[in-house]
Amino acid sequence: NAGVTQTPKFQVLKTGQSMTLQCAQDMNHNSMYWYRQDPGMGLRLIYYSASEGTTDKGEVPNGYNVSRLNKREFSLRLESAAPSQTSVYFCASIRLDFSTDTQYFGPGTRLTVL
Amino acid sequence: DAKTTQPNSMESNEEEPVHLPCNHSTISGTDYIHWYRQLPSQGPEYVIHGLTSNVNNRMASLAIAEDRKSSTLILHRATLRDAAVYYCILRDRNYGQNFVFGPGTRLSVLP
Repeated sequence: NAGVTQTPKFQVLKTGQSMTLQCAQDMNHNSMYWYRQDPGMGLRLIYYSASEGTTDKGEVPNGYNVSRLNKREFSLRLESAAPSQTSVYFCASIRLDFSTDTQYFGPGTRLTVL
Repeated sequence: DAKTTQPNSMESNEEEPVHLPCNHSTISGTDYIHWYRQLPSQGPEYVIHGLTSNVNNRMASLAIAEDRKSSTLILHRATLRDAAVYYCILRDRNYGQNFVFGPGTRLSVLP
């Protein structure tokens, strides 16, 4: 199993450009998440998808859109990138357990907006 | 969401035990205590979780206070590879609540 994969690993954008971050998981998990992590900070939730066909806003959704393409894939789109969106973006999926749930994270996408 | 408080940083010597504390005085009866860690330039990874009883796995042990208002992650023999940021997170067993990551504790391991 590859687990959670993310593409690209690195990206540099100019202000106003758009791009889509891709995330896929091969663990048959229902729930998928997008986080951002600014330097020296913890992770903040952008959007999540509890199941295929549903998406919900997290703590910091402004400036982003998401698509849950199918059970495996959950993409994050920046329509008009801003320097404040410079961050490391992590995708995660959740295995639902009998008692609780465990998140599995991808390696991250390092995005710089100039 | 109930909040957790952790020290910003800790240091340990290699091959010695490490005790990472976490305070969660407003924990509810259905909150599970999770620990994740984030190695440099990687995504977080699951370490351990528990509800009331102490828990052990191949990575670590979790000691939970009797009143559940605090917990301690124990690494029995720290290695250089254990240098990471450790996050203590509360999560209600009612699905739908999200994980809330604080700043965590940055653990340095000295050779």
